Amino acid sequence: GAVVSQHPSRVICKSGTSVKIECRSLDFQATTMFWYRQFPKKSLMLMATSNEGSKATYEQGVEKDKFLINHASLTLSTLTVTSAHPEDSSFYICSASKAGGPYEQYFGPGTRLTVT
Amino acid sequence: KQEVTQIPAALSVPEGENLVLNCSFTDSAIYNLQWFRQDPGKGLTSLLLIQSSQREQTSGRLNASLDKSSGRSTLYIAASQPGDSATYLCAVRREGAQKLVFGQGTRLTINP
Repeated sequence: GAVVSQHPSRVICKSGTSVKIECRSLDFQATTMFWYRQFPKKSLMLMATSNEGSKATYEQGVEKDKFLINHASLTLSTLTVTSAHPEDSSFYICSASKAGGPYEQYFGPGTRLTVT
Repeated sequence: KQEVTQIPAALSVPEGENLVLNCSFTDSAIYNLQWFRQDPGKGLTSLLLIQSSQREQTSGRLNASLDKSSGRSTLYIAASQPGDSATYLCAVRREGAQKLVFGQGTRLTINP
């Protein structure tokens, strides 16, 4: 068990438009979900932590109005990139933790966003 | 501030060799440490999770050790195979925190 899916796997959008990425825990309830961004050949950069039913906690330097995160249920979190620009092009990965310890994070397959 | 370092950044070895990947962290007040594997363009696959009270974890040909006091962890891969080629990441979770702090990864290539 502990499978996390992301949709879409790849998306291309035009500059100025918004795009939504979904993260789902398929076989467990995720009280906490995390959103990361990864640049080519770099490690993961945590963008925000979201707990079900409450507002997301954003890392320093991440614009909360640009990267909207919603965690409305125990199996779904969404990341919306608003007014996307080419510099937002990146690989976005989500992860989820089960309720209770040891709080192991299970990662989704990632979404490749390209803004033209 | 927790910092995680992985050495080497890249490693290339012939098939069949045993190898060790290193991870060090600056703050020993950790809750657990995870080793992940990432294939190009893919998400992360969790390999092993070690709680702060544990010394090691094993899964198949993989063995991860943790020396919390010295701020070090190693991932030992026995009898390496070409399919082991990937980037290996270690990450630590601080006590009382939810988020993981990642190292930069070691890009491993196993040559047939």
